[in-house]
Amino acid sequence: ETGVTQTPRHLVMGMTNKKSLKCEQHLGHNAMYWYKQSAKKPLELMFVYSLEERVENNSVPSRFSPECPNSSHLFLHLHTLQPEDSALYLCASSQEGRWISNTGELFFGEGSRLTVL
Amino acid sequence: KNQVEQSPQSLIILEGKNCTLQCNYTVSPFSNLRWYKQDTGRGPVSLTIMTFSENTKSNGRYTATLDADTKQSSLHITASQLSDSASYICVVSEIYIPTFGRGTSLIVHP
Repeated sequence: ETGVTQTPRHLVMGMTNKKSLKCEQHLGHNAMYWYKQSAKKPLELMFVYSLEERVENNSVPSRFSPECPNSSHLFLHLHTLQPEDSALYLCASSQEGRWISNTGELFFGEGSRLTVL
Repeated sequence: KNQVEQSPQSLIILEGKNCTLQCNYTVSPFSNLRWYKQDTGRGPVSLTIMTFSENTKSNGRYTATLDADTKQSSLHITASQLSDSASYICVVSEIYIPTFGRGTSLIVHP
């Protein structure tokens, strides 16, 4: 148990569906992240929120829309996805903000396995 | 461009044996290097962290080394157990952003 909870754990959706991934952290951290993990590729940073402000948007297609209503919750809204978007989506949090210090550690959730048909 | 290369891509060993995983990086300026363990279907969990001045760090049967001059790190697993079967990811951070390796997939057979 890392203190970061993601739901749902598994999601299957069609290309015309709208769905959302949810992440909640119980660690009192200031920053939250969305990462995409595809097979045989390094984790790809998608979005970073620090103190509820988006500070990083890594050229992610607009069909992915993040939302951070408070420092404990993070959503990823999905709309008209493509089959190549199928991947494991990992949420993470850290104590510091965007500036990960010498001791900064990312605490990951269990991930949401997304399959786009 | 910052890069982290890990080898081997995959590794199969027998239970009880030792193994060593490699990580080479070109991240600059260097802040810290972490090794994460990711069980199948789970999120990564941090094993060790090393800063520039540290050249070895242990966590139970896991020992990480760092050579900041050659920009290489290794993760040594002693007396492997079935539960060590996982993907091991090397993450090297500059001041602001971590760069992830592709990971080494380790399978421990009984």
